[in-house]
Amino acid sequence: DTEVTQTPKHLVMGMTNKKSLKCEQHMGHRAMYWYKQKAKKPPELMFVYSYEKLSINESVPSRFSPECPNSSLLNLHLHALQPEDSALYLCASSPFAGTYNEQFFGPGTRLTVL
Amino acid sequence: DQQVKQNSPSLSVQEGRISILNCDYTNSMFDYFLWYKKYPAEGPTFLISISSIKDKNEDGRFTVFLNKSAKHLSLHIVPSQPGDSAVYFCAASGPNNQGGKLIFGQGTELSVKP
Repeated sequence: DTEVTQTPKHLVMGMTNKKSLKCEQHMGHRAMYWYKQKAKKPPELMFVYSYEKLSINESVPSRFSPECPNSSLLNLHLHALQPEDSALYLCASSPFAGTYNEQFFGPGTRLTVL
Repeated sequence: DQQVKQNSPSLSVQEGRISILNCDYTNSMFDYFLWYKKYPAEGPTFLISISSIKDKNEDGRFTVFLNKSAKHLSLHIVPSQPGDSAVYFCAASGPNNQGGKLIFGQGTELSVKP
């Protein structure tokens, strides 16, 4: 299995809702990432997990809460989001969290905040 | 401060000809570079990478060239095919102590005309 899967594909939520994005990989990778991508912009790193521990938080607001329950799963819990948080949320994984290895991306979750 | 720049937002090429996509970077600590291809509503797909100790890497129709002194890399696609039409992102990765963080350029939209 050489892919990263993400669910749901699309999500519409109100500003008072709580929702979660899910990401899964079965490539044995020990690093997993969350990126945010706005239209016509490059992906921007949000979080990095290395060996199930949070290693990088790019000063992301606390309304985004990541979780790594095991080495194959990565969640992003969303609460009290703002309309400007609407974007494509991408999950990626790599063999390890360091240089000299490629990150493999999932198809993304298109999030719309009303 | 944009550390990775792709100055051409778009490029149009005839099928069968060469496509050359360019990327410049400012941080001399970057030592691994990657190219990703992205179709609309999909996650980026890894294409090819190059380490700073090399000046060329080839994989089928794709070749990446690195000029460290100029802090410039380019992706050559030969021959170009209509299915290559997508947005191409170059990305840079720094030393291992940055935990695998990728810095992406703004992307170049390639259109290959039949």
